[in-house]
Amino acid sequence: DAGITQSPRYKITETGRQVTLMCHQTWSHSYMFWYRQDLGHGLRLIYYSAAADITDKGEVPDGYVVSRSKTENFPLTLESATRSQTSVYFCASSELGAHQPQHFGDGTRLSIL
Amino acid sequence: QKEVEQNSGPLSVPEGAIASLNCTYSDRVSQSFFWYRQYSGKSPELIMSIYSNGDKEDGRFTAQLNKASQYVSLLIRDSQPSDSATYLCAVPGGKLIFGQGTELSVKP
Repeated sequence: DAGITQSPRYKITETGRQVTLMCHQTWSHSYMFWYRQDLGHGLRLIYYSAAADITDKGEVPDGYVVSRSKTENFPLTLESATRSQTSVYFCASSELGAHQPQHFGDGTRLSIL
Repeated sequence: QKEVEQNSGPLSVPEGAIASLNCTYSDRVSQSFFWYRQYSGKSPELIMSIYSNGDKEDGRFTAQLNKASQYVSLLIRDSQPSDSATYLCAVPGGKLIFGQGTELSVKP
């Protein structure tokens, strides 16, 4: 069934470790996004991508790295995890543009000890 | 930076009542608006899009847009306990800008 899937669903790691969150979509949507959601802050955009090999920073990009070598995949890497990066991370995609409706994955709950 | 504001709630209504959720935005040129529903522990789900002034109805849901006053609202008629969730307003601003959401609780 077509959709957007994130993995892992839950992850516990330690400060200083590198962590990669995966996002895969089967709709062939051009646009993909990474958000984090924290109590009191709502959804905050980390990075987005308009197409393969095109990425751009969002509101809170520091400490994160993204890549998009294929249209369907958009991994998010925390190069050296910090406790402040404990959050729920959502990947989303959009067919029509960055300002058009987005469809979200189920999220990854990341805890950094 | 465009801003989107919502009352965080919680908004509590009895079952069968009308729930009214409001969202204001700062940018006068915004052309389209979206409402998302997010159940606790789940991801946001798009439930309504509205692109022009006036009302748009979809089942028990009505989105109302007033560009002159810069607000968009979501009415839920005959509220059900299953409508209990956080409702996020989203406004395009280069990228989508989300409000912090209003928590709705429908009491049986």
